[in-house]
Amino acid sequence: EPEVTQTPSHQVTQMGQEVILRCVPISNHLYFYWYRQILGQKVEFLVSFYNNEISEKSEIFDDQFSVERPDGSNFTLKIRSTKLEDSAMYFCASRGLETQYFGPGTRLLVL
Amino acid sequence: TQLLEQSPQFLSIQEGENLTVYCNSSSVFSSLQWYRQEPGEGPVLLVTVVTGGEVKKLKRLTFQFGDARKDSSLHITAAQPGDTGLYLCAGVLSYNFNKFYFGSGTKLNVKP
Repeated sequence: EPEVTQTPSHQVTQMGQEVILRCVPISNHLYFYWYRQILGQKVEFLVSFYNNEISEKSEIFDDQFSVERPDGSNFTLKIRSTKLEDSAMYFCASRGLETQYFGPGTRLLVL
Repeated sequence: TQLLEQSPQFLSIQEGENLTVYCNSSSVFSSLQWYRQEPGEGPVLLVTVVTGGEVKKLKRLTFQFGDARKDSSLHITAAQPGDTGLYLCAGVLSYNFNKFYFGSGTKLNVKP
C-alpha cells in the first residue's frame, strides 16, 4: 500500500541552525501538508501546498519557515533559524480525494 | 475555540467495556477522518466518512457521520488493551479543502 515517508526520523540541531525536513508524499496525490505536534499537545496545522504554491498557512508558519517541492517527488519544510520552541514532531501528509495520509514524522530537538 | 470539539479528553475503562468518543462542530464538513496515534508515531488512518448519516464498521469499531455532517462518533465494543491509544478526529470543511481541522484527541486507556 502506498505510504508517505519522511526523513530523517530524528534530528538534533543547535539553536539558530537551519534544518530541512524531507517528505515523499503518495505519488498521485496533489495536496500536501505539514503539521507539528509538541510533546503531549495536539496536532497543529502549519501549511498546505497545492499546484506548486502555498494554499494556506497558519500563524505558526512565519518567515522562518518555507516549503518547497523541488522535484516531482520530494516535499520539504525548511526552518531557517531554529528556536528552542521549534522542538516537536513534524508530520508531513498528503491527500487524495477526501483522505489525508500521514507520514511517520521527524522528531526535531533544538538545543 | 476549537472548530472540532472532541470528547471525552481522557477515558480509562476495563477490558470488555463499551465506549463512545464524540467529535462535534457547528460547521459542516465535507468529510471527517478518524485516526489513532501511538506515542512518537504519526496518526494512522482508521476511516473516512463522507456522506451524512453514513455508518462504517471496522471490526469492533463503529463510526458514524451525523446527518448534517457536523458531527461524528466512534464507538468501540468490548474494548481490549490493544485499543489503548490517542484517537483523533479531523475534517475538511465543505468550503475549504486546503486545511484539515483536528480535534484535541481522546486518550483511551483500556485496563486488562
